[in-house]
Amino acid sequence: SAVISQKPSRDICQRGTSLTIQCQVDSQVTMMFWYRQQPGQSLTLIATANQGSEATYESGFVIDKFPISRPNLTFSTLTVSNMSPEDSSIYLCSVVGDRGKAFFGQGTRLTVV
Amino acid sequence: DAKTTQPPSMDCAEGRAANLPCNHSTISGNEYVYWYRQIHSQGPQYIIHGLKNNETNEMASLIITEDRKSSTLILPHATLRDTAVYYCIVSRAAGDMRFGAGTRLTVKP
Repeated sequence: SAVISQKPSRDICQRGTSLTIQCQVDSQVTMMFWYRQQPGQSLTLIATANQGSEATYESGFVIDKFPISRPNLTFSTLTVSNMSPEDSSIYLCSVVGDRGKAFFGQGTRLTVV
Repeated sequence: DAKTTQPPSMDCAEGRAANLPCNHSTISGNEYVYWYRQIHSQGPQYIIHGLKNNETNEMASLIITEDRKSSTLILPHATLRDTAVYYCIVSRAAGDMRFGAGTRLTVKP
């Protein structure tokens, strides 16, 4: 199994500011995934991050709003830019481990005021 | 849009088997059926997955119909700690997960 650490676990931010969320994995992985879970909703895939290439964004998500870095095989960051209250959500990173299992971090609970 | 249909909620008595159904009538031949659960305020947890054969592990059993258009997740002896939202997902690969609304399972004493 893969152990995923996300930082921060939660934050309260002012609108118009940006927050960078870190995701650290205890093993090397090719792909990392970022999800958003809005209050009371299910998870929505934001983007797929491969090391050494640009992230691939899902429909409705753009790089200017959610820039992603993937500097090595164990680490990725997601930035939520120019935040508004609508960005208040839980943001989760995920990796695929052995035998086709996806593992998720515990998430970053973001509140924008 | 999610490619699965699940009941929004179910109840189960503690100690009894919980049978969670999932319809995936448009599943492709190379798509797996995955089950995850999310206990309140935690990240989703892998339960089990399968392609066409029934699968069993230490957590649950997965029964997939012969035509692969539906499946059932079975928790053989539900406990209060199994109370969670259960997601059935069909996907070619584990990373490309499209979550639906899931089934909120409540295990009652």
